[in-house]
Amino acid sequence: NAGVTQTPKFRILKIGQSMTLQCTQDMNHNYMYWYRQDPGMGLKLIYYSVGAGITDKGEVPNGYNVSRSTTEDFPLRLELAAPSQTSVYFCASTRQTQETQYFGPGTRLLVL
Amino acid sequence: AQTVTQSQPEMSVQEAETVTLSCTYDTSESNYYLFWYKQPPSRQMILVIRQEAYKQQNATENRFSVNFQKAAKSFSLKISDSQLGDTAMYFCAFISSGAGSYQLTFGKGTKLSVIP
Repeated sequence: NAGVTQTPKFRILKIGQSMTLQCTQDMNHNYMYWYRQDPGMGLKLIYYSVGAGITDKGEVPNGYNVSRSTTEDFPLRLELAAPSQTSVYFCASTRQTQETQYFGPGTRLLVL
Repeated sequence: AQTVTQSQPEMSVQEAETVTLSCTYDTSESNYYLFWYKQPPSRQMILVIRQEAYKQQNATENRFSVNFQKAAKSFSLKISDSQLGDTAMYFCAFISSGAGSYQLTFGKGTKLSVIP
């Protein structure tokens, strides 16, 4: 049982480049989330999904896009990378919103 | 909007001693859920303990227990018999139980160092 997996683990982007952060869960969870964690801060919600085909914005959605075509996958897209997007990104999933969220190992992104 | 405050950015404790991490939150909701998550140097976020607000009894999980004071909106984490593996960032988090509530709100975290 792999849980929540994320790829890549680390990436360096140049300003203006695009990339997709991948997230997959094998627990058949309906709810999935993308967070970013800046140094010395807690996690801030970027986007979330309540099921395949349904997504919504979180607290800090600007500069990002998501899609959810299957229950398992929830990719996060950065279209025009900016230095302010340098952060660690976590994907998480849960069966019900008030239950435990299971987190992936994180993707460290550096935009230069 | 709900807020979660962790007033201790950093703490340290001697191995085998007990330490308490503080968390306060602000909400107008009557029913909700509170969590403590641990993030060791590996960065993996791991659930430590979960508390349902309508339950009077404080949650416990082995060496970890909480002191939940609903009226004071306080949710502190006590770690007994501290071990080196407890060295980590600890995050307090809140979610309402209301319909349409999807967002987990995190505090900024407390960095705990266990000293041999």
